[in-house]
Amino acid sequence: KQEVTQIPAALSVPEGENLVLNCSFTDSAIYNLQWFRQDPGKGLTSLLLIQSSQREQTSGRLNASLDKSSGRSTLYIAASQPGDSATYLCAVRHSNSGYALNFGKGTSLLVTP
Amino acid sequence: NAGVTQTPKFRVLKTGQSMTLLCAQDMNHEYMYWYRQDPGMGLRLIHYSVGEGTTAKGEVPDGYNVSRLKKQNFLLGLESAAPSQTSVYFCASRWPGHPGEAFFGQGTRLTVV
Repeated sequence: KQEVTQIPAALSVPEGENLVLNCSFTDSAIYNLQWFRQDPGKGLTSLLLIQSSQREQTSGRLNASLDKSSGRSTLYIAASQPGDSATYLCAVRHSNSGYALNFGKGTSLLVTP
Repeated sequence: NAGVTQTPKFRVLKTGQSMTLLCAQDMNHEYMYWYRQDPGMGLRLIHYSVGEGTTAKGEVPDGYNVSRLKKQNFLLGLESAAPSQTSVYFCASRWPGHPGEAFFGQGTRLTVV
């Protein structure tokens, strides 16, 4: 069974800092990897989707990288803002199952003014 | 665009009562999923469907039933609710294959007393 781990579980940074969230997975035979944002009491918002053949994806201040061979992905947030405070979830779709996403437990980010 | 819509958003049930959660998507997606999210457990797959008229069990299917009579709707039923089913339930949908980005609803917060 694919295990997805996110480190750290919680992170607090001052506004303006660049930060990196980590995601690791045990089985490198993935189809794609998706990063989500979840605000308290809300649903999941898709941030970035990386296909297994890609190395990175960028959207605004967000950059996600993928190293399939080592089973790792990172989400880089540049010039963090208080509005970035949320829980960030990493999810992996395995090549063989093809159907569902396996989720990590998330990193809770707090950006202080 | 409505995307993925879940009904209801909140519900309190007594032990032994039954209810149905409705998920509707307007993106003509083939695949639909039901997840539950619990503190410290992350998101876990309950059931999923790869097309109209099909359903399959996920990681934690016991105590739940599903139906996909129409392509745009995926129903999750609790026949006899138990306190252990207190959770936040999320529905998701996506196209099969590439790119395969998953979209989530806003969640249903269910409390069983």
